[in-house]
Amino acid sequence: EAQVTQNPRYLITVTGKKLTVTCSQNMNHEYMSWYRQDPGLGLRQIYYSMNVEVTDKGDVPEGYKVSRKEKRNFPLILESPSPNQTSLYFCASSLYLGDGYGYTFGSGTRLTVV
Amino acid sequence: ILNVEQSPQSLHVQEGDSTNFTCSFPSSNFYALHWYRWETAKSPEALFVMTLNGDEKKKGRISATLNTKEGYSYLYIKGSQPEDSATYLCASLIYNQGGKLIFGQGTELSVKP
Repeated sequence: EAQVTQNPRYLITVTGKKLTVTCSQNMNHEYMSWYRQDPGLGLRQIYYSMNVEVTDKGDVPEGYKVSRKEKRNFPLILESPSPNQTSLYFCASSLYLGDGYGYTFGSGTRLTVV
Repeated sequence: ILNVEQSPQSLHVQEGDSTNFTCSFPSSNFYALHWYRWETAKSPEALFVMTLNGDEKKKGRISATLNTKEGYSYLYIKGSQPEDSATYLCASLIYNQGGKLIFGQGTELSVKP
């Protein structure tokens, strides 16, 4: 089944403890992106990647890192999480940007930083 | 940050009613407009991707139109059903914004039986 897989679905962590949210797609998509969803603010883009080893900042990149060493994986890294990073996170992918099919989204990761 | 605006924020209709909502986006350097359907506790699912001015797309009882010159798109639902209850998101892809797909805040639709 074609899908974007995010893990974990839920995570509670403490301030400052490094964490990684994984994202993997099995559709050979070139484009991948991370978003966070906060009440009243809509989906805001954190980072995106046009292809392997090509990443760029979205609108809210502070406090996050990403890497794209292979096509299928696009992990989101929080080196030192803070409570303002408590949010619902989505990974999404598409064949290429503007491919006419839209994004395929992962199931989401609900992160709480205490 | 370029803004994509959706209205209304929420909508409550009766089963069988037809409804529509609006997405406004920057018209300059337009590349594409996406519509997504987002049910509670699930992830957003793509409905339409539209690129041409005057484009109209349809999927079952849901259709969308696009005006790139004035920067708006309408989503229509004919004969709403309770299973149409969801948040409908639009997102704009702009040429000079690199890989940024900018989302609106969504219209939350509730259809009562």
